[in-house]
Amino acid sequence: DAGVIQSPRHEVTEMGQEVTLRCKPISGHNSLFWYRQTMMRGLELLIYFNNNVPIDDSGMPEDRFSAKMPNASFSTLKIQPSEPRDSAVYFCASSPGSELGGQPQHFGDGTRLSIL
Amino acid sequence: SQKIEQNSEALNIQEGKTATLTCNYTNYSPAYLQWYRQDPGRGPVFLLLIRENEKEKRKERLKVTFDTTLKQSLFHITASQPADSATYLCALTSGGSYIPTFGRGTSLIVHP
Repeated sequence: DAGVIQSPRHEVTEMGQEVTLRCKPISGHNSLFWYRQTMMRGLELLIYFNNNVPIDDSGMPEDRFSAKMPNASFSTLKIQPSEPRDSAVYFCASSPGSELGGQPQHFGDGTRLSIL
Repeated sequence: SQKIEQNSEALNIQEGKTATLTCNYTNYSPAYLQWYRQDPGRGPVFLLLIRENEKEKRKERLKVTFDTTLKQSLFHITASQPADSATYLCALTSGGSYIPTFGRGTSLIVHP
């Protein structure tokens, strides 16, 4: 079975550029999560979608970050303009979402983002 | 404020021994607690989930305990192998929520 697929795996870009990260969740999963992982702060939730609708975006750092889920099989996380402090590994995860809190999350292998 | 604590120091053990990792929490009433494994350059992989009304859960060489009085979960790997070397994260979810909060993880190194 295909797991969660993220692209690109690595992204290096200059400060001020727009960055778009992509995620394809597991088919049939109706919950999707975007996380950011750094050494300093660990794994932090950025935004959570349920049935393609953003439910909780309280973790989105600021207006430079935006996320969309136009359909059940695709989501994007966009940073515009990017800054060096955005450098981190960004993970997408999906879960069936049928039981509150009781569903394991399936993670992609992340996008390692470096902003110069 | 809510806090999840996992030992930031790596745990070094000898192959064949039992590894025990700890997850402590404060100002939290989790209904679910999960453990994940993360290898370098990879995303976390789900291992076990335990509910607040369960004391213990086992899966092959893995065992998780959940003590809501002590506000602590212990994660055991018996007969450890070098292939078990990884970072292990705990994640807590409150009742009525879909969103887990992750600890920072503890690195386990199993020496042959």
